[in-house]
Amino acid sequence: KAGVTQTPRYLIKTRGQQVTLSCSPISGHRSVSWYQQTPGQGLQFLFEYFSETQRNKGNFPGRFSGRQFSNSRSEMNVSTLELGDSALYLCASSLQGAPSRTDTQYFGPGTRLTVL
Amino acid sequence: GEDVEQSLFLSVREGDSSVINCTYTDSSSTYLYWYKQEPGAGLQLLTYIFSNMDMKQDQRLTVLLNKKDKHLSLRIADTQTGDSAIYFCAESISNFGNEKLTFGTGTRLTIIP
Repeated sequence: KAGVTQTPRYLIKTRGQQVTLSCSPISGHRSVSWYQQTPGQGLQFLFEYFSETQRNKGNFPGRFSGRQFSNSRSEMNVSTLELGDSALYLCASSLQGAPSRTDTQYFGPGTRLTVL
Repeated sequence: GEDVEQSLFLSVREGDSSVINCTYTDSSSTYLYWYKQEPGAGLQLLTYIFSNMDMKQDQRLTVLLNKKDKHLSLRIADTQTGDSAIYFCAESISNFGNEKLTFGTGTRLTIIP
């Protein structure tokens, strides 16, 4: 079974621009979560989507948004980019998004965003 | 509140056992996870333990959970050079049916030949 895929793997943008990142979950998984990883803040939870609905949200400004399509693929958008948005953005998929013995999150390789 | 802490660095000789420690503060955690991140890669789920278990063993990996002290550890037996990575512990908290993972800062494991 193919794993979680993220595109693009690397991205360079300038301040003020916007960016869209894509995540394709493992087949059959309905929950997709997004995380930001930076050296200073570590791994932080952005939001989770389940059946095309945002179900949970972390403490990030409204510039960070996302959506999920009917095939469970998800996109994350960051508008008005700032230097501090440079990070590795990871997405993770799971079957239901609820904790259970088998329903754990599986991560993609990430998209490394650099803001100049 | 949610706070997960780990030591930042650990160095171990090849062939020895590595023990990576983690403390968490939220007693309502349901699952606790260990992830491995190699350079330039995403996170790989290594193992997990349900909060009502004390120990889980999976080949070279042993997870110990002390729920009273909110302390989690990962022991890697016979550490190899391929074990060099950053190891993250994470706690899973279910809030009104929603799950959120909170990660520790990560422990960078370096293997000494």
